[in-house]
Amino acid sequence: AQSVAQPEDQVNVAEGNPLTVKCTYSVSGNPYLFWYVQYPNRGLQFLLKYITGDNLVKGSYGFEAEFNKSQTSFHLKKPSALVSDSALYFCAVRDGGSSGGSYIPTFGRGTSLIVHP
Amino acid sequence: KAGVTQTPRYLIKTRGQQVTLSCSPISGHRSVSWYQQTPGQGLQFLFEYFSETQRNKGNFPGRFSGRQFSNSRSEMNVSTLELGDSALYLCASSLGYTSYEQYFGPGTRLTVT
Repeated sequence: AQSVAQPEDQVNVAEGNPLTVKCTYSVSGNPYLFWYVQYPNRGLQFLLKYITGDNLVKGSYGFEAEFNKSQTSFHLKKPSALVSDSALYFCAVRDGGSSGGSYIPTFGRGTSLIVHP
Repeated sequence: KAGVTQTPRYLIKTRGQQVTLSCSPISGHRSVSWYQQTPGQGLQFLFEYFSETQRNKGNFPGRFSGRQFSNSRSEMNVSTLELGDSALYLCASSLGYTSYEQYFGPGTRLTVT
C-alpha cells in the first residue's frame, strides 16, 4: 500500500543553522513527491515537487529537497533557517501509475518545524 | 489571480443533518480535490474531480459525495452527519492531476454536535 512517513513530529533548529525535515515513502510505481507548508491559521502552500529529472529540486523560500530512490526518501532542506520558517510541513506522494498503483495522493502526518531566535 | 475560495468558513451542524460545502478553484484550474484534516488522522484524501468527472476516491463511506460543475466549481456533501465528521475540510485545485501541484483553500471548519 502507498504510504508516507515523516518520522519526526517536531524539529527544533536555531536561526541561521541548516534544517532538514525527513520524509520516506512507499509506492508501487514511479513516485511523484511534493512538499507543502501550513502556517498557523492559513491553508497549505506548495513548496516544491519531484516528478522526474534532477534529484535535487529547488523550491520556494530557499527550500530544496533531494530525491533518493534507493532510500525511498525525499528530505526537505534549507541551508539557513529563519524564525519565519516555523510552520507545519507535509510531505505527499502520488503513484505515477506505471505499475497499476493508485493515483490517490497520500500525505504524511506533518512535522512541526520550530526555529529559535 | 484569486486563490481557492471555500464557503462557508465555519459551520455547526447537529448529528443526523446533512451539509454541503463549496469550493471555487483558481481560474483555469480544472482539477479539484477534497481532503479531511483532523488532529488524529491528519490529512486524508476524499475525492478528486477533473472536467466534471470523479477521477479518484479515497476510503470514505458513501455518506461523503461530491460533484464538479462545468465552470470547475465543486461541492461536497456529507449526509447523516456523525460526531466524527467534525474536521477541517480542505479543497485544493490544480491544472491537472497526478503530477501537478495543488493549491489549497483556507478550509471549512465543520463542527458536529
